[in-house]
Amino acid sequence: DAGVIQSPRHEVTEMGQEVTLRCKPISGHDYLFWYRQTMMRGLELLIYFNNNVPIDDSGMPEDRFSAKMPNASFSTLKIQPSEPRDSAVYFCASSRTPGQGTRVYNEQFFGPGTRLTVL
Amino acid sequence: AQKITQTQPGMFVQEKEAVTLDCTYDTSDPSYGLFWYKQPSSGEMIFLIYQGSYDQQNATEGRYSLNFQKARKSANLVISASQLGDSAMYFCAVLLTGGGNKLTFGTGTQLKVEL
Repeated sequence: DAGVIQSPRHEVTEMGQEVTLRCKPISGHDYLFWYRQTMMRGLELLIYFNNNVPIDDSGMPEDRFSAKMPNASFSTLKIQPSEPRDSAVYFCASSRTPGQGTRVYNEQFFGPGTRLTVL
Repeated sequence: AQKITQTQPGMFVQEKEAVTLDCTYDTSDPSYGLFWYKQPSSGEMIFLIYQGSYDQQNATEGRYSLNFQKARKSANLVISASQLGDSAMYFCAVLLTGGGNKLTFGTGTQLKVEL
């Protein structure tokens, strides 16, 4: 089975430009997450969706960041305008609601990440 | 807010030896899940093992096992028979069942396996 797919893998842009990161979750997964990883702040959850609906965007840094999930197999994270402090690795992850059992939530599977550099 | 503490920024272990990576968490919620992820130098995040707060037995997955001490709020990862490929950053994470499907990660432990 294909894992979580992210594109591009690397992005270098100049301050003020719009950046769009893309994610295809694992087929059948109903949760999708966007994370950001930096040396200073570690791994932070930005936003997550359930069945294509944004559930919690409290981690989105500011209005320059927006995320959409138009269908079950695609999501975007957009930064407009980008700033040097947005430089980070952005991960997309997905998970599936557990079936019957004791678990409420399943493990999340991560994509390879997009390394964003804003000059 | 819940807090995850990994006190060992770096660890060294000899090949074929066992190593324990520490993780403590701070939550008053009774229902939660604990996860460990591995991040090799290539950057991807790899899920290793899960422990639920109500699980009676410690979780095991191959060479990975979790030393879960609920009263102490610790969930240490034990890697047995270390291999060179185990060299990576290891992250502990907690998910509060009542808080939505949100993982909070620790700061990680860099493990280096030596010959």
